[in-house]
Amino acid sequence: DIVMTQSPDSLALSLGERATINCKSSQSVFYSSNSKNYLAWYQQKPGQPPEMLLYWASTRGSGVPDRFSGSGSGTDFTLTISSLQVEDVAVYYCQQFYSTPPTFGQGTRVEIK
Amino acid sequence: EVQLVESGGDLVQPGGSLRLSCVASGFSFSSYWMNWVRQAPGKGPVWVSRIKSDGGGATYADSVKGRFTISRDNAKNTLNLQMSSLRAEDTAMYFCVRDNVAFDIWGRGTMVTVSS
Repeated sequence: DIVMTQSPDSLALSLGERATINCKSSQSVFYSSNSKNYLAWYQQKPGQPPEMLLYWASTRGSGVPDRFSGSGSGTDFTLTISSLQVEDVAVYYCQQFYSTPPTFGQGTRVEIK
Repeated sequence: EVQLVESGGDLVQPGGSLRLSCVASGFSFSSYWMNWVRQAPGKGPVWVSRIKSDGGGATYADSVKGRFTISRDNAKNTLNLQMSSLRAEDTAMYFCVRDNVAFDIWGRGTMVTVSS
């Protein structure tokens, strides 16, 4: 199984600050035949199911604000929230869908300082 | 509106069985692979099982293989998970999830508690 490791486990920032969450996979999730990284990011607010933010590492899902962006390739990826808002308080997960079983990172909790 | 609604969660004793269901609406259910994902309290999501759009090609996490069976009825827009030989470690919220590149649509979940 591909192991996904996120850092940090939590971070507390002021409103308007930039948040950066890292995700590392134990093996590459880049598929050379279509040049895509099989990596997604999810946001989970308390009492709600996860919601997909990004797929193919950097493509925003429908309705996702453009302050959320993704980057990286191969085994190292980053989720960036350009200007933290109150509604962004949540736990964020990365997930690889390159191979079965699809696996998630342990999560990063984002709070307002 | 695209929607997935799970049901069937309950408190069950170790060794017991339970059947979860998920009704889909607002999209062409028969066109998509579907998944079950679970999340224990305070933990991250864990994939459980997947089934192809035509009902074939079911796959399972090692932790549930031989105990859980995924199925679907495309005529009724319904996804099912038959769970048997339940263990305490199966206690979790179970989500029905659409597979569309990544996991793009999630239901609100149904809670399964395995305890004596």
